[in-house]
Amino acid sequence: GENVEQHPSTLSVQEGDSAVIKCTYSDSASNYFPWYKQELGKGPQLIIDIRSNVGEKKDQRIAVTLNKTAKHFSLHITETQPEDSAVYFCAASIAGGTSYGKLTFGQGTILTVHP
Amino acid sequence: GAVVSQHPSRVICKSGTSVKIECRSLDFQATTMFWYRQFPKKSLMLMATSNEGSKATYEQGVEKDKFLINHASLTLSTLTVTSAHPEDSSFYICSAGVGVRGETQYFGPGTRLLVL
Repeated sequence: GENVEQHPSTLSVQEGDSAVIKCTYSDSASNYFPWYKQELGKGPQLIIDIRSNVGEKKDQRIAVTLNKTAKHFSLHITETQPEDSAVYFCAASIAGGTSYGKLTFGQGTILTVHP
Repeated sequence: GAVVSQHPSRVICKSGTSVKIECRSLDFQATTMFWYRQFPKKSLMLMATSNEGSKATYEQGVEKDKFLINHASLTLSTLTVTSAHPEDSSFYICSAGVGVRGETQYFGPGTRLLVL
């Protein structure tokens, strides 16, 4: 089955700096890669996603890049703010496969943005 | 848009009782709904996948008779933890999926279950 590895497990940055979180996946059939932000005691919130026919996607301060050949994808947050502090999860899925949209999650990254 | 609610948000129950958790997609119809369990400082663990009107598909190691899932409509799924024990205490989160196979998942706020 699919395996997703996420690094780093913790990331501490100063407000205004950029933050980068990286994930690798094992199943070359995976074609859908969402990123989630989870605040303490809450459910994960979808912040951005990318499909395998696109190499990069950007939404304001957040961007995701995908390298299908290397089987890795990354989340980039620019101009970080204290409210960006949370746990971030990457995930991979085979959209359109036989398994109903099953997401395989990475281990999570605790991002702390210091004022 | 894409709001998913869960009820209750917190529940405390005695060992041996059953607890039902509701998951609703408020402003969209979901192809598929998913139930996860999350331990402190850990990632999400998929328990089961359900589609309206059909039996849920459980992940390996998840007892289907212990965690009963009913998917009554395209906007409602329920998880019942039967004969709860302290080791069932956890954070349970549902998601509602859209897309070809429900891969774009929107999560509920979660339910904190404490079994005494």
